[in-house]
Amino acid sequence: AQTVTQSQPEMSVQEAETVTLSCTYDTSESDYYLFWYKQPPSRQMILVIRQEAYKQQNATENRFSVNFQKAAKSFSLKISDSQLGDAAMYFCAYRRKWSNQGGKLIFGQGTELSVKP
Amino acid sequence: DAGITQSPRHKVTETGTPVTLRCHQTENHRYMYWYRQDPGHGLRLIHYSYGVKDTDKGEVSDGYSVSRSKTEDFLLTLESATSSQTSVYFCAISGVSEMNTEAFFGQGTRLTVV
Repeated sequence: AQTVTQSQPEMSVQEAETVTLSCTYDTSESDYYLFWYKQPPSRQMILVIRQEAYKQQNATENRFSVNFQKAAKSFSLKISDSQLGDAAMYFCAYRRKWSNQGGKLIFGQGTELSVKP
Repeated sequence: DAGITQSPRHKVTETGTPVTLRCHQTENHRYMYWYRQDPGHGLRLIHYSYGVKDTDKGEVSDGYSVSRSKTEDFLLTLESATSSQTSVYFCAISGVSEMNTEAFFGQGTRLTVV
């Protein structure tokens, strides 16, 4: 069975600085998707970034980028130039690529990020 | 924003009473999911559906049942609510194509069992 682990329950960053959130996962499959979701106090789940396992290039979305290390099964999220609006719970998630059971997501425990002005 | 609506948004109920949460989508997506969110556990899959009347269990299905009689509606029922089912419940939807890998989430339902 696949598992996702986020070992940092809480992180803090100064506004305009850079922070990295860690995520490790375990799977026996070679092709899959990895995601980072943001959950602000409104509870809405917002997709931040997506990585396809067969792509070696790390995904980037504006100030958000990932460091995808497939052999190490590591998928960290880097937030550059942190803003007050980045304060939220962040979840790492895994999804099998091929499945007749749809896109079930396996989530990590979450990392609560606070941003200090 | 994806058209997915959960109702109710908040509910307080007594132990032993039945509770039904509703998820409604306007995207015509094939797959629908119910997750629960608890501190220290992230989101965990309760049940999912891969078509009308086609459902299967997830990781934490005990005490829950689901039904999907129409593409757009996915109901989650707690037959006899317990305090351990106090949680935030999320419905999600996703499509079938490789180009459509993203899951879209509803706003969540906060359920308190007293």
